[in-house]
Amino acid sequence: GENVEQHPSTLSVQEGDSAVIKCTYSDSASNYFPWYKQELGKGPQLIIDIRSNVGEKKDQRIAVTLNKTAKHFSLHITETQPEDSAVYFCAAFRSGGSYIPTFGRGTSLIVHP
Amino acid sequence: EAGVAQSPRYKIIEKRQSVAFWCNPISGHATLYWYQQILGQGPKLLIQFQNNGVVDDSQLPKDRFSAERLKGVDSTLKIQPAKLEDSAVYLCASSRQGEKLFFGSGTQLSVL
Repeated sequence: GENVEQHPSTLSVQEGDSAVIKCTYSDSASNYFPWYKQELGKGPQLIIDIRSNVGEKKDQRIAVTLNKTAKHFSLHITETQPEDSAVYFCAAFRSGGSYIPTFGRGTSLIVHP
Repeated sequence: EAGVAQSPRYKIIEKRQSVAFWCNPISGHATLYWYQQILGQGPKLLIQFQNNGVVDDSQLPKDRFSAERLKGVDSTLKIQPAKLEDSAVYLCASSRQGEKLFFGSGTQLSVL
């Protein structure tokens, strides 16, 4: 099955700095790579996703890059704000209801004002 | 549209007791997932349904956990008997085409 590794486990930045979270996956058949943000006491919420036919996707201050050859993908947050503080999870799987989404262990992002 | 509904929000039980969680997915979503999230870890899949059939339950401890999805809509997850290590947040998620997952707020279970 798929195995997803996520680093770092904790990331502390100053407001306005950039933050980068990296994930690697093992199954070359995986073609869908979402990122989720989980705030305290809430369920994970999808913030951005990328499919294997695209190398980069951007949505305002967040972007995701994918390197299929190396089997890794990254989340980039620019101009961080205190409200970006949360736990971020990456996932990798084959799209379609018959395939199992596998999540990384999470990165706790702390943005200091 | 309404999100994924879960209840109860919190549950405290003693070990060896039983507990049940309920999930109502987003209307029209064929795929339903139950995840266990232990503090400080990523969600771990317990069981995945496609309509009312099971796609995967390989990580479900079947000696104590059971789950069903009636008529391909609502789902219940039961633990009987509970152990201390079952203390976790139980998350339900649904998706329309097995891609974008939408999560509920979860049920926080404490086993004493």
